[in-house]
Amino acid sequence: NAGVTQTPKFQVLKTGQSMTLQCAQDMNHEYMSWYRQDPGMGLRLIHYSVGAGITDQGEVPNGYNVSRSTTEDFPLRLLSAAPSQTSVYFCASSFFSQNEKLFFGSGTQLSVL
Amino acid sequence: AQKITQTQPGMFVQEKEAVTLDCTYDTSDQSYGLFWYKQPSSGEMIFLIYQGSYDEQNATEGRYSLNFQKARKSANLVISASQLGDSAMYFCAMREGEGGSYIPTFGRGTSLIVHP
Repeated sequence: NAGVTQTPKFQVLKTGQSMTLQCAQDMNHEYMSWYRQDPGMGLRLIHYSVGAGITDQGEVPNGYNVSRSTTEDFPLRLLSAAPSQTSVYFCASSFFSQNEKLFFGSGTQLSVL
Repeated sequence: AQKITQTQPGMFVQEKEAVTLDCTYDTSDQSYGLFWYKQPSSGEMIFLIYQGSYDEQNATEGRYSLNFQKARKSANLVISASQLGDSAMYFCAMREGEGGSYIPTFGRGTSLIVHP
């Protein structure tokens, strides 16, 4: 049982480049989400999805795009990377209920130069 | 306004002592869930403990317990008999029911250092 698989673990981009962070889960979770973690700011929600074909914006969506074509996959796209997007990114999934814990990917350390 | 407030950016505790990490929350929902996660220096996020708003007893998981005071809207994490491996960031989180659409919100975290 792989859980939540997030790739890559590390990435360095130049300003203006685009890239996609991959996230896949094998637990049939309805809810999938992307967070960014910055020092002193906790985890801030970028985008989330409650099922295939359904996505919505979180607290800090600007500069990011998502899609959910299958239950399993929820990629995060950086359209034109900026230094302000230097951060640690986490994908997380769960069943969609108030008492369900989140399962996290291992994180992606992204640096934008 | 922050929905989850963790007022202690950093905490220090002696090995084998107990420590309490504070968490207060803000919601108008009657039905919600409260969670604590641990993030060691390796970076992964580890679920520790859950408390439902209708649970009458405080949740416990091994050395972790959640001191739930509903009227005060607090959900403090108590770690008994601290170990060196407890040194980590700790995040409090909430999933609201009807009004919050179950979207988790996180506090800013508390860094715990356990001294030998």
